[in-house]
Amino acid sequence: AQSVAQPEDQVNVAEGNPLTVKCTYSVSGNPYLFWYVQYPNRGLQFLLKYITGDNLVKGSYGFEAEFNKSQTSFHLKKPSALVSDSALYFCAVRRLEVEGGKLIFGTGTRLQVFP
Amino acid sequence: EPEVTQTPSHQVTQMGQEVILRCVPISNHLYFYWYRQILGQKVEFLVSFYNNEISEKSEIFDDQFSVERPDGSNFTLKIRSTKLEDSAMYFCAVTSGGLETQYFGPGTRLLVL
Repeated sequence: AQSVAQPEDQVNVAEGNPLTVKCTYSVSGNPYLFWYVQYPNRGLQFLLKYITGDNLVKGSYGFEAEFNKSQTSFHLKKPSALVSDSALYFCAVRRLEVEGGKLIFGTGTRLQVFP
Repeated sequence: EPEVTQTPSHQVTQMGQEVILRCVPISNHLYFYWYRQILGQKVEFLVSFYNNEISEKSEIFDDQFSVERPDGSNFTLKIRSTKLEDSAMYFCAVTSGGLETQYFGPGTRLLVL
């Protein structure tokens, strides 16, 4: 069975400070990991993904994520937060071996960046 | 990022009525998905569709739900007899290949009264 845990319902950070949004996963087989962002009353926007290769992946809007196989984690990071980064962030996993496989989402973490 | 539109953006219906939600991918895609998000909760997988048939469905996707792609473009989700608990945001997602990223539409907010 696949699952994703986002242990923090909300993360608060001051503008200009680094941010981390945590995600751990469980999947049988090799993981294919994603981060999506949701702004109010909007759909899910793709930020970045890890499929294989370098453990540090870079995505949109200056975000990056680090894959850690031993800790089964895929934390989202940004060196310097912006107020406009305030949104709901979802981590998701699917099995790499399954073509067209479904995404399993975490419960989401609300990021609040204060000016 | 491929463009995906969904209609309607909002729908209010009475319990027991049928609703059809539509997804219109702009480019050619191979895999199609429906997910839903009950207010304040996580995004849940409903069904995936490939080569004109369902490839996987969740426990939520019972006999009240159906999907089709009748004209080779629109991808529809039908709920035959809506229940109060079907109230949610429904998202369509598409991908151009089995290992590609899923891109989501803006969603349809369904309210069942």
